[in-house]
Amino acid sequence: EPEVTQTPSHQVTQMGQEVILRCVPISNHLYFYWYRQILGQKVEFLVSFYNNEISEKSEIFDDQFSVERPDGSNFTLKIRSTKLEDSAMYFCASSADLAGVPFFGPGTRLTVL
Amino acid sequence: SQQGEEDPQALSIQEGENATMNCSYKTSINNLQWYRQNSGRGLVHLILIRSNEREKHSGRLRVTLDTSKKSSSLLITASRAADTASYFCATLETSGSRLTFGEGTQLTVNP
Repeated sequence: EPEVTQTPSHQVTQMGQEVILRCVPISNHLYFYWYRQILGQKVEFLVSFYNNEISEKSEIFDDQFSVERPDGSNFTLKIRSTKLEDSAMYFCASSADLAGVPFFGPGTRLTVL
Repeated sequence: SQQGEEDPQALSIQEGENATMNCSYKTSINNLQWYRQNSGRGLVHLILIRSNEREKHSGRLRVTLDTSKKSSSLLITASRAADTASYFCATLETSGSRLTFGEGTQLTVNP
């Protein structure tokens, strides 16, 4: 069964460093998403991406964040200068259509020290 | 405003009993989805119900949707210890691409 994969599973970084979180969505999906979950809190939407551009972003997704689909398979989230409060589980998801079921990856746990 | 609020926040039952979790939301939605999350793990999609549907079944799961009350319920019948997890509802608004998740219900099924 096709699945969304994410790497790394756990990333530890120093405050102020740049991190890139990687995702491989399901191959025939057209919509891509990033969500995050701070420990013990609910899942929060960051950004959606379609047709090689951002279609929607939340208030959390400020200038420190960017997304890219560098090739036909990868979808990345970059945080330019990490803050302590960026520590969270980051989930990538993809869906075949806008109102369909998004399939979530297993997540990347980001720890900012 | 807060979208997707579940209640109860925590529910503890015995194996074999039914578990009911409720979700309320505030905006117009395209669909409502329920997810399960084991501690520290990823999100597993359980069931999707569209705004023009009132009830849906999948195995031991039964979901209802009342758009007039902006609420949904998830019923797990004949619960098992392996059902222990957090359960989240998430709404997709009629305009937009974001899922808005609730705070979740922590379900504990005691063997």
